[in-house]
Amino acid sequence: AQSVAQPEDQVNVAEGNPLTVKCTYSVSGNPYLFWYVQYPNRGLQFLLKYITGDNLVKGSYGFEAEFNKSQTSFHLKKPSALVSDSALYFCAVRDALLGGNNRKLIWGLGTSLAVNP
Amino acid sequence: GAGVSQSPSNKVTEKGKDVELRCDPISGHTALYWYRQRLGQGLEFLIYFQGNSAPDKSGLPSDRFSAERTGESVSTLTIQRTQQEDSAVYLCASSKWDGGYTFGSGTRLTVV
Repeated sequence: AQSVAQPEDQVNVAEGNPLTVKCTYSVSGNPYLFWYVQYPNRGLQFLLKYITGDNLVKGSYGFEAEFNKSQTSFHLKKPSALVSDSALYFCAVRDALLGGNNRKLIWGLGTSLAVNP
Repeated sequence: GAGVSQSPSNKVTEKGKDVELRCDPISGHTALYWYRQRLGQGLEFLIYFQGNSAPDKSGLPSDRFSAERTGESVSTLTIQRTQQEDSAVYLCASSKWDGGYTFGSGTRLTVV
């Protein structure tokens, strides 16, 4: 069965410090992995995805994520956090081999990131 | 269109009334999804349409909820006899083959 876990409900970091939001996953085959961000009172916005290729994926707003197959992780990172990065972050996964009605993404419960000035 | 369009953006309704929410996906996206998000919570899957396949309705919370999609275009989510616990933001998303979703801005439903 497919699953995704975001082990931290909340992450607090000081502005200018590096940030990491953790995500681990479980699929039978190869994963397609995604990060989305939701700013207060806004819809979800795509940040980045891993489909194949380089394990380090660069996305919007200076974010990046590293696919680690041995650890089944896809942690979101940014070298220097901004107060404006404060938002809810969602990780999602699906098994690349599955089709039809199994193609929908499995979502984590979200991690609230607070960047303090 | 350029993005996923949802209407209305806000809906206030009286308990017991029916409501209809609309989603217009990105042209060419074969898959369409409805989610519900309560305040400060994660995404609750409701229903998934993929091309001409039978929809995955496994997330619909009760028989008061139903959804339709015409081909690969507009979808409507209908909630009959609304209850206060139905109050939430209803999000629609569409996607191509690789599963990356594009979300609409959502419909904020308030049942009073």
